[in-house]
Amino acid sequence: GALVYQYPRRTICKSGTSMRMECQAVGFQATSVAWYRQSPQKTFELIALSTVNSAIKYEQNFTQEKFPISHPNLSFSSMTVLNAYLEDRGLYLCGARLQNSDYTFGSGTRLLVI
Amino acid sequence: QQNVQQSPESLIVPEGARTSLNCTFSDSASQYFWWYRQHSGKAPKALMSIFSNGEKEEGRFTIHLNKASLHFSLHIRDSQPSDSALYLCAVSLDSNYQLIWGSGTKLIIKP
Repeated sequence: GALVYQYPRRTICKSGTSMRMECQAVGFQATSVAWYRQSPQKTFELIALSTVNSAIKYEQNFTQEKFPISHPNLSFSSMTVLNAYLEDRGLYLCGARLQNSDYTFGSGTRLLVI
Repeated sequence: QQNVQQSPESLIVPEGARTSLNCTFSDSASQYFWWYRQHSGKAPKALMSIFSNGEKEEGRFTIHLNKASLHFSLHIRDSQPSDSALYLCAVSLDSNYQLIWGSGTKLIIKP
């Protein structure tokens, strides 16, 4: 079956430092990878959508300068949170899909900023 | 900007009863509608989707969409304790499938 692994599952970083999280698709080819953030008391916000052979599309309020994303092949994507501050804490979720199928989600990377 | 709202925020239902979860959206151009279920500590998984007005039934689950009233819902008949989870609705405007999520309904089914 299709699975998506995210790691680390949980991480703590000091305010002002950067943190990289990874997303691995297993059992299918991830032509599209979507990164979401669930802040405390909020819903999942789409950060960016990465589709193979297309430019990565960032949503309003999210930038490449703050959340650079790499999608080098059909099974892997990574996103870095640069200069993390308190407002960046939350659950970061990666969803991947093959072409027009439903997304399969990982369990998320929980980021704590101290 | 699309606004997706879910109600209620939380719900406790006795085992065997019918559960109804609601989702409203603001953009009438929305075309794709999903319900996801997230068990504690797990990733959200797609439960059902609907792309045109009407109803769709899969087992104990029924999804109903009314685009004119900007509303879609999920109904669970004969609710089971294993149905206890966070239910998230999601809406997409186009075939790019960029999802806009509701904030979720926490459902508890009491034995």
